Amino acid sequence: DAKTTQPPSMDCAEGRAANLPCNHSTISGNEYVYWYRQIHSQGPQYIIHGLKNNETNEMASLIITEDRKSSTLILPHATLRDTAVYYCIVRVAFRYQLIWGAGTKLIIKP
Amino acid sequence: DTEVTQTPKHLVMGMTNKKSLKCEQHMGHRAMYWYKQKAKKPPELMFVYSYEKLSINESVPSRFSPECPNSSLLNLHLHALQPEDSALYLCASSQEGHLSISYEQYFGPGTRLTVT
Repeated sequence: DAKTTQPPSMDCAEGRAANLPCNHSTISGNEYVYWYRQIHSQGPQYIIHGLKNNETNEMASLIITEDRKSSTLILPHATLRDTAVYYCIVRVAFRYQLIWGAGTKLIIKP
Repeated sequence: DTEVTQTPKHLVMGMTNKKSLKCEQHMGHRAMYWYKQKAKKPPELMFVYSYEKLSINESVPSRFSPECPNSSLLNLHLHALQPEDSALYLCASSQEGHLSISYEQYFGPGTRLTVT
């Protein structure tokens, strides 16, 4: 199973775009990239996922490189409520298990 | 309703106690999960139920005993735990089916367990 590598922490100014990188250089063709976040003392919250194409929803955008070896989660206008640990995850299609990265602690500063 | 509820929020138990954690969802999901999360670590999968049957046991010690009484409920029975079992226990649910190639898991808020 592929593994993910994330920076342990990042800062971002409120109102600016937060760009969170993830490396998954050993990802296979049938493995999806998922992003979840966990606000302190809460359960993880699903953000977005993708396979090959870039994806966007009401929370974020996911940019996956053409070789699929890395991706970037973009929060377009970060707010203080976006302060959380963000996990980059790989999941093999049709399997239950999620391969979690160590997470990036994102701190949004006023 | 996209909510997964867990009770209790906090639990302190001795090593000789028997207790249970409860999880409930009303999203019609047929896959339910138990995770264990230690401080500053990502969640670790413990068990997966699919259509009320145990599908995955990630080599969890027998002092943890899962139960799925119906499609909306998931329990985790605890007996003779050790202090190192202290952690946040998370329940999650998701859609199920061989065609569900892009489902997400919805997590509950967790039960903070302390074993003394």
